[in-house]
Parts: sequence; structure tokens; C-alpha cells
Amino acid sequence: EAGVAQSPRYKIIEKRQSVAFWCNPISGHATLYWYQQILGQGPKLLIQFQNNGVVDDSQLPKDRFSAERLKGVDSTLKIQPAKLEDSAVYLCASSLSGTGEKLFFGSGTQLSVL
Amino acid sequence: AQSVSQHNHHVILSEAASLELGCNYSYGGTVNLFWYVQYPGQHLQLLLKYFSGDPLVKGIKGFEAEFIKSKFSFNLRKPSVQWSDTAEYFCAVNARSNYQLIWGAGTKLIIKP
Repeated sequence: EAGVAQSPRYKIIEKRQSVAFWCNPISGHATLYWYQQILGQGPKLLIQFQNNGVVDDSQLPKDRFSAERLKGVDSTLKIQPAKLEDSAVYLCASSLSGTGEKLFFGSGTQLSVL
Repeated sequence: AQSVSQHNHHVILSEAASLELGCNYSYGGTVNLFWYVQYPGQHLQLLLKYFSGDPLVKGIKGFEAEFIKSKFSFNLRKPSVQWSDTAEYFCAVNARSNYQLIWGAGTKLIIKP
């Protein structure tokens, strides 16, 4: 079974630049999550999609972050403009139904903002 | 607000030592409880979970965890660790009312060969 695919693995940008991350969840998984993991902390949910609708984006900094999941399959997360404090690992995860069951994670994108 | 607390950020043990990693949560309602693990260079993966029933749950690679409702705890244990258990361990909790997963800060475990 193919896992959750994410790209790129690493990205280095300067502050005020923009960046985009891509995620392809496991086939058939209705729920897709984007997490931000800052060094030394646990993952923090940025946005949760159920199919192509947003379930929870309460912790997404909407002035600079945006995400979409067109057609209810793959998803992109964008930061524009980036700040130094956005340096983190961005994790994508998926699950079958979003009702508290097991999450499957991708390898993440490590973002460094200089 | 819900929160999850992991007692130790770093733990160093020798092979064959016994392991217990603490996890406490704050939430008064019914919860689902998880331990996830991230081995060096790999993605996060589920180690074990508790939804209901026997409060002592067993996971992969000889790990187990005990849910003690009165103490709001879900500690992870392994009787004898191996060098390959070197990893970062995360406790996570979601309330069954909204399924939002709240994560602890993680514990980095280093096993000396």
C-alpha cells in the first residue's frame, strides 16, 4: 500500500518569499491534515479537510497561510509571505474518516526561513 | 482547553533497561489515547492506541501502555529496551466529542548499545 506522499522534502527560502507544499494522501482516505511541527514541540494542526471541505482551520494563520484540496484528493499548503517563525516541519497526514482513528503520516517538508 | 503533558523531553537508557514514559492529559470527558513513534529518518507512525475496554493495551515491538482514568494518565512501558528503540515518542489525545487530536511535546529516547 502506498503511503502519504509529500514534496519537497526540504526547502530553504528567505523571509517574505512564498512557498508551497504538496501532499497526496493514501487512496480512499477522506480526511487530510496539515500539521506544523516546530523543533522541540508536538505537531500542531493547521487545517483538516474532509473530502474537499474544511473541517477545522482554527489554528491556520489565514493572513499568510492558505490550503486547498481540490477534488478531495491531493492538497497544497502555501505560505505567502513567509516569516522566520514559520521555520518548521510541515506534516501531511490522512485517515479513513476523521473520527479519531489512526493517522498515516508523510515524511514531512522541512522548511527553513532565513 | 485540552492539553497533553509528557514528563521528560529526553531519556537516555542502556540496552535491556526498563522504560516508562509518562503522559498526562487534561480533559474531563471521554477520550481516545495514542502513542506515536518517529524513528530517525522515518515518518510518524502509530505505536498503540486505546479507545475502550481493557486499559492495558499492547502495541508493536513489545510496547504497552496503561490508561489510568483517575490519574488522567496513559504511560508507555517496555520491559527491556533495544538500541533500535531509539526514537522520538509522542502521546496524543482526542476527545470523542470533536476528535481533534492534541499532541504532547514528545520524548526523545536514546538507547546506548
